Amino acid sequence: DTEVTQTPKHLVMGMTNKKSLKCEQHMGHRAMYWYKQKAKKPPELMFVYSYEKLSINESVPSRFSPECPNSSLLNLHLHALQPEDSALYLCASSPRGDRVGNTGELFFGEGSRLTVL
Amino acid sequence: GQNIDQPTEMTATEGAIVQINCTYQTSGFNGLFWYQQHAGEAPTFLSYNVLDGLEEKGRFSSFLSRSKGYSYLLLKELQMKDSASYLCAVRDSNYQLIWGAGTKLIIKP
Repeated sequence: DTEVTQTPKHLVMGMTNKKSLKCEQHMGHRAMYWYKQKAKKPPELMFVYSYEKLSINESVPSRFSPECPNSSLLNLHLHALQPEDSALYLCASSPRGDRVGNTGELFFGEGSRLTVL
Repeated sequence: GQNIDQPTEMTATEGAIVQINCTYQTSGFNGLFWYQQHAGEAPTFLSYNVLDGLEEKGRFSSFLSRSKGYSYLLLKELQMKDSASYLCAVRDSNYQLIWGAGTKLIIKP
């Protein structure tokens, strides 16, 4: 299994809703990432979990809340989002932690396309 | 600041060769990556360079010159399916990936 699986593929939510994005990988990777990508822009790092601990939070607003229940799963909880948060949310994993020994190759999921009304 | 420059868009002909350049200025260097991203899809890893020189992988090759802060991705025998955005990313001294804005490659028959 060489896949990173994200659900849902598409999500439409109102500004008062609470929803979650889910990501799963069974490659034994020890680092997992959330990226946000707007059209025609590169991916923008949001969070990194390394060995199931949050190692990087790129000053993301608290309306985005990550969770790593175990080494295979990564969630992104969404609450009180704004229309400008509409984007493609990409989950990625890499074999080792996000530091020394990491060859840097990221395995991306297909993304969850979020629309906030 | 940290900066990665690559052309916004390039056009090439099916069967030809195209070179996509990337120049970078980052706080330290721990490797350079090229990713391919088709419209509406996730990026996929193409290549990784950490030492100077050319890395070849099938129709794709990537070159790095650390002293010049320069890399290129060379695509040979272009196929229509190669139409995509190509993202250059550099890992800095903190092991953070700094992404270029991407080069949209259009292949014409």
